[in-house]
Amino acid sequence: KAGVTQTPRYLIKTRGQQVTLSCSPISGHRSVSWYQQTPGQGLQFLFEYFSETQRNKGNFPGRFSGRQFSNSRSEMNVSTLELGDSALYLCASSLGLAGYTGELFFGEGSRLTVL
Amino acid sequence: EDKVVQSPLSLVVHEGDTVTLNCSYEVTNFRSLLWYKQEKKAPTFLFMLTSSGIEKKSGRLSSILDKKELFSILNITATQTGDSAIYLCAVVGAGGTSYGKLTFGQGTILTVHP
Repeated sequence: KAGVTQTPRYLIKTRGQQVTLSCSPISGHRSVSWYQQTPGQGLQFLFEYFSETQRNKGNFPGRFSGRQFSNSRSEMNVSTLELGDSALYLCASSLGLAGYTGELFFGEGSRLTVL
Repeated sequence: EDKVVQSPLSLVVHEGDTVTLNCSYEVTNFRSLLWYKQEKKAPTFLFMLTSSGIEKKSGRLSSILDKKELFSILNITATQTGDSAIYLCAVVGAGGTSYGKLTFGQGTILTVHP
């Protein structure tokens, strides 16, 4: 069974640009959650999508957005990039809503560097 | 705002040692507490705890929750070099703005030397 796939794995952008990251969940999983991981802040919740609807959102500015498609694949977008957006962005999938399931399956992450 | 504090932040031991990792939390309407292991990039699930005093066990790893004192511990006995990783604790809220959200602690970096 294929795991969670995130693309691209690494990317470098400059301030002011925008970026789109993609996540393909495990087959049959309907929930996709996104997290930002930095050395200073640890793992921080961005948002969760379930059946194409955003079910939960963390405390991030509106520059961070996402969506989920009918095949459960998800994308997240960050507009007007800032230096502080440099981080590892992790996607996790689960059968049901993350808060009920508990067992999330994480991808390897997308390492974003903003120059 | 929900808060999870893990201690120690880092720990260096030798193979065969037993370690105890701590996780204390503040959350609006507790639903569950989760432990994850992060070796390279992708965290992997270890345990989900919802009830006080009931130990979850998997091989050399075990965990217990104290809902009265708002903390959990993760024990690893007879450590091996393969246990070297970041151990993450997260809590899930069940009400208000915390509903369904996972709040992670900073993690404990465990290094096991041969």
